[in-house]
Parts: sequence; structure tokens; C-alpha cells
Amino acid sequence: GAVVSQHPSWVICKSGTSVKIECRSLDFQATTMFWYRQFPKQSLMLMATSNEGSKATYEQGVEKDKFLINHASLTLSTLTVTSAHPEDSSFYICSARKGWEYFGPGTRLTVT
Amino acid sequence: GDSVTQMEGPVTLSEEAFLTINCTYTATGYPSLFWYVQYPGEGLQLLLKATKADDKGSNKGFEATYRKETTSFHLEKGSVQVSDSAVYFCALTRMDSSYKLIFGSGTRLLVRP
Repeated sequence: GAVVSQHPSWVICKSGTSVKIECRSLDFQATTMFWYRQFPKQSLMLMATSNEGSKATYEQGVEKDKFLINHASLTLSTLTVTSAHPEDSSFYICSARKGWEYFGPGTRLTVT
Repeated sequence: GDSVTQMEGPVTLSEEAFLTINCTYTATGYPSLFWYVQYPGEGLQLLLKATKADDKGSNKGFEATYRKETTSFHLEKGSVQVSDSAVYFCALTRMDSSYKLIFGSGTRLLVRP
């Protein structure tokens, strides 16, 4: 199989705080993981490519200082939303590459 | 640049009806093509894929054929079930070294009993 998990599945935080989301490949090693953002009833927007042991590559328009990505091991990538604001509320989905991309179940972030 | 165009939804069908969701693409070279399904509140699941022209991907009764001449990858199922209600995304891989996925806008399918 190729199972990807995310934690937490949902989180509510106050404006100005930081939130960390974890993405794990459970039964395989992934040198490359991806982070997407999905707005209601819309498609996925690629935010960044996370590479194990090196800096993430961000898509144009994505603030790297706001969305911190760390890929410390071959099975774990984290996305930290710093100084969160209500407009950061969204559904965040990660994926890991094992030949093809396999997606996690997503994390719903609500900033109040 | 590379892009994927899907038919707008929602698509509403009765159980056991025939399903077609259209997908066309624009790309240089020969991308791999995918259909992903997203059930409410969940992430995406790979439904099927095709890597070269005339390949047919199939899974769980769904099929799609990679048509290079019409740059299409339409999703079909002969008899839908209520449990097929979900959002379906067509996607392709970029043909640069990144192999990043490019998604269509998604098509919502609602199957009524």
C-alpha cells in the first residue's frame, strides 16, 4: 500500500497563533512530499514541494515565511502556519510521492 | 502552459445511470493522466491513471482512455451507485523535471437513490 496520514484532522486556533500540521508516509519512504491548499468547492492549489533534507520549494505567491515547511525525515513533513489569520482558514492536504502521488486525508484549519 | 479542463458540475444522476465526466488537457509532450476522487471531508484518492496514448485506466467500475488525438481523458462508469457521490478531479503531470500534478477544477457528482 501507500498510506499517507495527516495530523490533526481539524484544528481551531486564535488569530496570531501558530499551527503545525504533520504529514506522514506510513508504509513507505518519501523523499518528496507536497502541500496543497483547497478552498471550499474549488480545486487544489499547490503551495510547495517539500524535499527531505533540503529547503522547500514554494510556488509563486506563497509566503515562505508564513508557511514554514520542514521535511526532517523520509516519512515526515510538517507545515507550520505562523501568525495565523482568518484568511488562512482552509483545507490543507499533503501528498507523498511513491512513483505516483498519494494524498493524506487533509486538515481543516479554522482561525478565529 | 499545461492545463486541464473539466466539465462543470454538479452532475446529478439516478442510481444505475451511465456516467461520463469530460476532461480535456493541454500539454506539451506526453503527460501521464489521472482521475482522483474526493469524498466529503476527505483527501484525494487515486482512482485510475494512464501513462501513454490509448492506455485505458480502470478501477471500481470506472474507466478512462487516454486519447491523444482529442487530448481527452473522459471518465465513465456504466452504472453509478449512491456511494459514488463525490468530487472527481482530472489531473496531469507536468512534463518538466518536477512531475508536479496539475488539477482540473473538479466535478461534483450526486447520485440519487
